[in-house]
Amino acid sequence: DTEVTQTPKHLVMGMTNKKSLKCEQHMGHRAMYWYKQKAKKPPELMFVYSYEKLSINESVPSRFSPECPNSSLLNLHLHALQPEDSALYLCASSQAVVGDEQFFGPGTRLTVL
Amino acid sequence: AQTVTQSQPEMSVQEAETVTLSCTYDTSESDYYLFWYKQPPSRQMILVIRQEAYKQQNATENRFSVNFQKAAKSFSLKISDSQLGDAAMYFCAYPRIIHSQGGSEKLVFGKGTKLTVNP
Repeated sequence: DTEVTQTPKHLVMGMTNKKSLKCEQHMGHRAMYWYKQKAKKPPELMFVYSYEKLSINESVPSRFSPECPNSSLLNLHLHALQPEDSALYLCASSQAVVGDEQFFGPGTRLTVL
Repeated sequence: AQTVTQSQPEMSVQEAETVTLSCTYDTSESDYYLFWYKQPPSRQMILVIRQEAYKQQNATENRFSVNFQKAAKSFSLKISDSQLGDAAMYFCAYPRIIHSQGGSEKLVFGKGTKLTVNP
């Protein structure tokens, strides 16, 4: 299984809603990543978990809250988002080895009204 | 600061022809990796090819090959015998190490090159 899955595929939420994005991999990878991608732009790193511990936080606003319940799962909890947070949210995973390939999921298309 | 520059926002190629996508980067490291990722219109990003800087030999994966010029900090991607399925955004990327432990890397992406393949 060389797949990273993400749910939901699409999400529409109001600025007062609380929602969560989910990412799962069963490749035995110990590093997992959240990226935000705006249209026609490269992905921007948000968070990295390494061995279930938060390793990198790219100064992301607190309305985004990551969680890594176990080595296969990664969540991104969303609360009080702004319309400018509308984007494609990509999850990725890799072996926690320098220079290893990152495997990306298909993404969740988020729209904040 | 490590940066990655892709100077061609868009490129087009005829089916079965060859196209080269350019990438330059800046780093003070002597040993590092470089990647080309492909993001088709369906949006799932996949790795096309990886180069280890200490290896002098250019990486090759079937129809995809790189021209890695370490001194010039250049890392171009050549696609031979282009196919319709090659149409995608192509991102050149450099993994910047944030912590010494593995899994603490930040992929620094170029702005991307949109490749169109004409039948």
